[in-house]
Amino acid sequence: DSGVTQTPKHLITATGQRVTLRCSPRSGDLSVYWYQQSLDQGLQFLIQYYNGEERAKGNILERFSAQQFPDLHSELNLSSLELGDSALYFCASSATAGGRLDEQYFGPGTRLTVT
Amino acid sequence: DAKTTQPPSMDCAEGRAANLPCNHSTISGNEYVYWYRQIHSQGPQYIIHGLKNNETNEMASLIITEDRKSSTLILPHATLRDTAVYYCIVRYNRNSGGYQKVTFGTGTKLQVIP
Repeated sequence: DSGVTQTPKHLITATGQRVTLRCSPRSGDLSVYWYQQSLDQGLQFLIQYYNGEERAKGNILERFSAQQFPDLHSELNLSSLELGDSALYFCASSATAGGRLDEQYFGPGTRLTVT
Repeated sequence: DAKTTQPPSMDCAEGRAANLPCNHSTISGNEYVYWYRQIHSQGPQYIIHGLKNNETNEMASLIITEDRKSSTLILPHATLRDTAVYYCIVRYNRNSGGYQKVTFGTGTKLQVIP
């Protein structure tokens, strides 16, 4: 158990809809990272927040947005969903802003299925 | 970040050493080699990383060639619980500044056989 929690575990929704994925980092961690893993693309970094502020952006679509709240939990909002958005979405957390891979702890993921 | 190449799949007998190769011929001088694994769609788990010297921890050993163009992750006594996808990633070990995009690629699917 990494200490990072994600809800929900599974989500099934229709095209065009909007969903929110939630992540709670490990106690004391200030950084949250979001990743998308689809069958054909592997695991890709989407976005990072550190202590409430956006820190780095990766391959995140404009239809997707994220935020980190004062209690440090984070939400990833996906809108105008398409079939191709079906994927596993992982959240990771770390204590620092620098994003060292060896310092990141991953949550169990949310499986999103768009029908 | 440098690109890596890994075989798509490998088998290993239980109790034997599993040697997982990774090519990273375009690695630059201050890029580290990281290994992660992912067990059946769970969150990726950090295993080990290194710059030039060989490294060992409680999970695995990492052997990096002298020219740093390739490396091998060694699981000394593979168990069924080591069946997973193993990712080799090359990147800077920044400790400050923003986290730039990274892709884990498709990795090597290791099947440990009883």
